[in-house]
Amino acid sequence: GIQVEQSPPDLILQEGANSTLRCNFSDSVNNLQWFHQNPWGQLINLFYIPSGTKQNGRLSATTVATERYSLLYISSSQTTDSGVYFCAVATGNQFYFGTGTSLTVIP
Amino acid sequence: DTGVSQNPRHKITKRGQNVTFRCDPISEHNRLYWYRQTLGQGPEFLTYFQNEAQLEKSRLLSDRFSAERPKGSFSTLEIQRTEQGDSAMYLCASSSGFFGPGTRLTVL
Repeated sequence: GIQVEQSPPDLILQEGANSTLRCNFSDSVNNLQWFHQNPWGQLINLFYIPSGTKQNGRLSATTVATERYSLLYISSSQTTDSGVYFCAVATGNQFYFGTGTSLTVIP
Repeated sequence: DTGVSQNPRHKITKRGQNVTFRCDPISEHNRLYWYRQTLGQGPEFLTYFQNEAQLEKSRLLSDRFSAERPKGSFSTLEIQRTEQGDSAMYLCASSSGFFGPGTRLTVL
């Protein structure tokens, strides 16, 4: 299967700070998504981004498919951004998730 | 609320018992996925349905696991003869991006 590596594994930010999360994957993919898992375990889709750049409010994401990586940018972080961020990739119908980046935003 | 529901939310069972979980996806979505997540890990793919057809199964899905999606609507995941290693959160996703709240299974 496809190997997905996320970095950093853990991140602690002061409220208002910016951060960049990275996802590297080992093979060509036709689907890449970023998810946020809140402290109660609910996974929420942030972006469907197999290539290119998208923005949604304080979040943006860029995928460079030819170099097999994706970046998630969080600007002006808030305490509600805390949780685990997962990257998930697929070539067909089977998705592979990374081990996530655990983000803690402190007031 | 993503519109995907799972029941029960929590299940505690004794080793060797059978358990069944249910997922109700968003009604117009024809794709449905099951995943398993253990502490500190990302979700692991188990199986995929397109309507009522089970089109992909992970090698993680041993013969004790079976999933169905009759009529292409709700889906069930059954685990027979549960083992302590089956303890995990079982997640259902409608289409590829809408996850339910999960069923947390504890096998004693």
